[in-house]
Amino acid sequence: DIQMTQSPSSLSASVGDRVTITCRASQSISSYLNWYQQKPGKAPKLLISAASSLHSGVPSRFSGSGSGTDFTLTISSLQPEDFATYYCQQSYSIPWTFGQGTKVEIK
Amino acid sequence: EVQLVESGGGLVQPGRSLRLSCAASGFTFDDYAMHWVRQAPGKGLEWVSGISWNSGSIGYADSVKGRFTISRDNAKNSLYLQMNSLRGEDTAFYYCAKDRNSGIATAVIDYWGQGTLVTVSS
Repeated sequence: DIQMTQSPSSLSASVGDRVTITCRASQSISSYLNWYQQKPGKAPKLLISAASSLHSGVPSRFSGSGSGTDFTLTISSLQPEDFATYYCQQSYSIPWTFGQGTKVEIK
Repeated sequence: EVQLVESGGGLVQPGRSLRLSCAASGFTFDDYAMHWVRQAPGKGLEWVSGISWNSGSIGYADSVKGRFTISRDNAKNSLYLQMNSLRGEDTAFYYCAKDRNSGIATAVIDYWGQGTLVTVSS
């Protein structure tokens, strides 16, 4: 199985900050990498697919990059509604696996 | 508007069975693959199973293989998960999820239900 490792596990940031979350795969997954946002008590929402393709309706302050084994999710200017947990997920091979999550908290 | 509504969760004893259902609306159900993803309380996401649009391709996580069975009824716009031989570690919220594509060759989940809680305990 492909292991997905996110860093950091949590971070504290202020509104307006630039935030970067990293996801590393245990083997190359080309660009088969998706990012999800989950708020407490809610279902996850797709943010980015194929490493860098923004899902419909997702604000442009979110962006993704990377290929192979190393990927990044960037929030260019953190907004109050962005405080949540973010997960990466590889869609290269079954079983589809997720990172352990990165919780973005208010500083 | 895409809607996915899960049902069938609850408290069940170890070793017993439970069947989850998911009613889909707001999209052409038989055009898309579907998945079940679970999340233990306070923990991360774990993909459980996926099924292609025509049930021709099915996949399972190793943790549930041989115990869980995914199925769909396109005429009823419904997805199911039959869970047998339940264990304490199966305790989780179970999300019904829609794939962006028709097959399960690459899983991009673009919509999720609100989840149903399954608690396995004596």
